[in-house]
Amino acid sequence: GAGVSQSPSNKVTEKGKDVELRCDPISGHTALYWYRQSLGQGLEFLIYFQGNSAPDKSGLPSDRFSAERTGGSVSTLTIQRTQQEDSAVYLCASSFSDRGTEAFFGQGTRLTVV
Amino acid sequence: QQQVKQSPQSLIVQKGGISIINCAYENTAFDYFPWYQQFPGKGPALLIAIRPDVSEKKEGRFTISFNKSAKQFSLHIMDSQPGDSATYFCAARARGSSNTGKLIFGQGTTLQVKP
Repeated sequence: GAGVSQSPSNKVTEKGKDVELRCDPISGHTALYWYRQSLGQGLEFLIYFQGNSAPDKSGLPSDRFSAERTGGSVSTLTIQRTQQEDSAVYLCASSFSDRGTEAFFGQGTRLTVV
Repeated sequence: QQQVKQSPQSLIVQKGGISIINCAYENTAFDYFPWYQQFPGKGPALLIAIRPDVSEKKEGRFTISFNKSAKQFSLHIMDSQPGDSATYFCAARARGSSNTGKLIFGQGTTLQVKP
């Protein structure tokens, strides 16, 4: 596709359930980022993938959060045993490289934990 | 040291006025400073970006002013229009093997331009 695609666009889940959020980056982009945006708040860095390098996981808030990137393309963010404070918009972005080129964001996945 | 501090949190400007949003940082490893614009329900989109080797960059009505010694940069929106009403985020990206590429965002500024 032409842009970063995220699915689902909305997800409602019960507390304690696991969820998987998907990101399809722009073709050829080597860098991929996940951010979390709580209502009315800024963008909280979660994890960053660059090519074949080890991902920067320094922003993951707990061990319930994990992410993988298969084949250098699609990425999945997994949240285990979801809690109400996990409710937020999860944004994915990709860029051609990590050296100051534009990061393109997807529309985000709105996660609601009830 | 990884933080980017943004102010004000919200801003109301009359149509035709100048909107000014400020950001400050600590990490001297930052070498790329973009501004993103976000409309409700949408992902952020790049507005304008600057590198620390220049003090100012202008694109249309949008200007970034950069003060390397003070570790501050700002966005100026000239002739602000109601269509500029959105949330604006400053960001910074670090060079270096340990944190290359990670974009750190400010807290955001909600701008409302009144007709």
